Amino acid sequence: GQNIDQPTEMTATEGAIVQINCTYQTSGFNGLFWYQQHAGEAPTFLSYNVLDGLEEKGRFSSFLSRSKGYSYLLLKELQMKDSASYLCAVSPKSYNTDKLIFGTGTRLQVFP
Amino acid sequence: GAVVSQHPSRVICKSGTSVKIECRSLDFQATTMFWYRQFPKQSLMLMATSNEGSKATYEQGVEKDKFLINHASLTLSTLTVTSAHPEDSSFYICSATSWGDYGYTFGSGTRLTVV
Repeated sequence: GQNIDQPTEMTATEGAIVQINCTYQTSGFNGLFWYQQHAGEAPTFLSYNVLDGLEEKGRFSSFLSRSKGYSYLLLKELQMKDSASYLCAVSPKSYNTDKLIFGTGTRLQVFP
Repeated sequence: GAVVSQHPSRVICKSGTSVKIECRSLDFQATTMFWYRQFPKQSLMLMATSNEGSKATYEQGVEKDKFLINHASLTLSTLTVTSAHPEDSSFYICSATSWGDYGYTFGSGTRLTVV
């Protein structure tokens, strides 16, 4: 079966750093995506990891450990606009030719 | 970048009627289209996968006769919710991929309310 887990909710303070974890167990693996979704809107792409290690992109970084079935999204210098849901998704088969399996999503609230 | 146009963005319909949702890839050929449903405060649940010119593959538990998917061209896919009921009220989102392209491009979503 396919299983992707994330914490349901997290809170943090403006200017702080927050790490959102994702663990997965899928029938295959060909990459892990992180998306941001504001309420009532479609997800927007944040990052893609297929090899182990850290990918940094501005205030956002994403880490992957394939042997542990684990990823995290790191958000630095939090801003109020970062309050959103963050979705971890795995491509279990060959890249770009199969469905994405989404995790449960993590709702992040950033407070002043 | 790649854009998928989805409409309508919001629709309210009466119970028992049908609603069609369209997704168009504006600047690329969408060889595969995925249709998701999202209930409040939940994640995206894949309903079906459709490849251009062939029948859609539905996920377990999704009624193919109720959720009709057509992907007749490389730029257009439609989802028709037939005989809609209040429990079908949800946020429906399409996502397209193309061979050789990077990532999955999402439509803007359709908020369906069945009254």
